[in-house]
Amino acid sequence: QKEVEQNSGPLSVPEGAIASLNCTYSDRGSQSFFWYRQYSGKSPELIMFIYSNGDKEDGRFTAQLNKASQYVSLLIRDSQPSDSATYLCAVNTGTGTASKLTFGTGTRLQVTL
Amino acid sequence: SAVISQKPSRDICQRGTSLTIQCQVDSQVTMMFWYRQQPGQSLTLIATANQGSEATYESGFVIDKFPISRPNLTFSTLTVSNMSPEDSSIYLCSVGGSSVGQYFGPGTRLTVT
Repeated sequence: QKEVEQNSGPLSVPEGAIASLNCTYSDRGSQSFFWYRQYSGKSPELIMFIYSNGDKEDGRFTAQLNKASQYVSLLIRDSQPSDSATYLCAVNTGTGTASKLTFGTGTRLQVTL
Repeated sequence: SAVISQKPSRDICQRGTSLTIQCQVDSQVTMMFWYRQQPGQSLTLIATANQGSEATYESGFVIDKFPISRPNLTFSTLTVSNMSPEDSSIYLCSVGGSSVGQYFGPGTRLTVT
């Protein structure tokens, strides 16, 4: 089982709709969860982080975390064509000096006109 | 967030040669990280570089192949040694931490022929 799993997509949503991106992780000790956006040919950009169960909102983005189900998601409201990118879920795994970020393979989002 | 630059931005190298990638940060940081992103894949951590100590390598990566220097708190280099076509990838440095999120440089796109 991969440590961090995402559906590779592409996930296609019409402009103005809500895009829902999902991620599951295997390390029950993980405490920090991140969403990165990566445009083609560019490096990943940190857009959201969440540490506690529940929802965290930032503008059009909402991160949701359920540690019991080992599930984290990202909702993008009022999707725009500029949101078309690959979204990477990252989870901190390990402890102490062995702690690191583990990335999923990413979900490609396409927002259509 | 810190401003991170990398040199070179891209290079085409012959097999058997070595390439040194530089990563410069505009502020002092404790930890720097080196990742590899192969075509169509997610990010894989190569090693963590702390100033004043030996780099810590992830499973599957060895110092002889990927020597790292960290001479001060704003600079690090990664060398890809004795390259083969399988080393063709994007190499990224980042700063931050596994519990607070990481910020990435623009990446170095390496092609080995």
